[in-house]
Amino acid sequence: SSELTQDPAVSVALGQTVRITCQGDSLRSYYASWYQQKPGQAPVLVIYGKNNRPSGIPDRFSGSSSGNTASLTITGAQAEDEADYYCNSRDSSGNHHVVFGGGTKLTVL
Amino acid sequence: EVQLVETGGGLIQPGGSLRLSCAASGFTVSSNYMSWVRQAPGKGLEWVSVIYSGGSTYYADSVKGRFTISRDNSKNTLYLQMNSLRAEDTAVYYCARSPFDSSSYYFDYWGQGTLVTVSS
Repeated sequence: SSELTQDPAVSVALGQTVRITCQGDSLRSYYASWYQQKPGQAPVLVIYGKNNRPSGIPDRFSGSSSGNTASLTITGAQAEDEADYYCNSRDSSGNHHVVFGGGTKLTVL
Repeated sequence: EVQLVETGGGLIQPGGSLRLSCAASGFTVSSNYMSWVRQAPGKGLEWVSVIYSGGSTYYADSVKGRFTISRDNSKNTLYLQMNSLRAEDTAVYYCARSPFDSSSYYFDYWGQGTLVTVSS
């Protein structure tokens, strides 16, 4: 089955731009989706498809993809963006499974 | 307004069984792909199982043969029957909705989660 790999931790200065990446073979076939999770809360979808934001998600969040790598970019990071971020996609092996990355802890300095 | 509310978690001994429920409102469970996703304490998200709108079901290898996903259309509720529970099944269990999309797989609504603790 497929796997998705994320850096465990990333930091960004307040107001700066940060990119969180997700790598995996399944991303050559399917777009990644991205979730933000704050302590004690359920995950929240922030990006899906080619680069779509659900209603209520600020436009500083954007997504992109190239080859086997998907990226979540936060342009002008805010203190409230400090959270864990997870990517996911469909497993490309045809087994109807779903895969998640291991998550990236974002610290806003 | 879309809402998902999980219930049924608790403390259970290894080898025991538990059934989780996820009551949905604001949409029809049977018209969507519905999944269970779990998160062990301090760990990342792990997909557990999905039931498609057509009724097909699929499971992560870690739970296949022990867990069963189902739904009751009349109650608009999703279930997860968990048998032969192990310590490593300890986690917060979330139900989540996935709109059909041929180019991606995403969960647009999540419940608040219910904690399952497997311990003697």
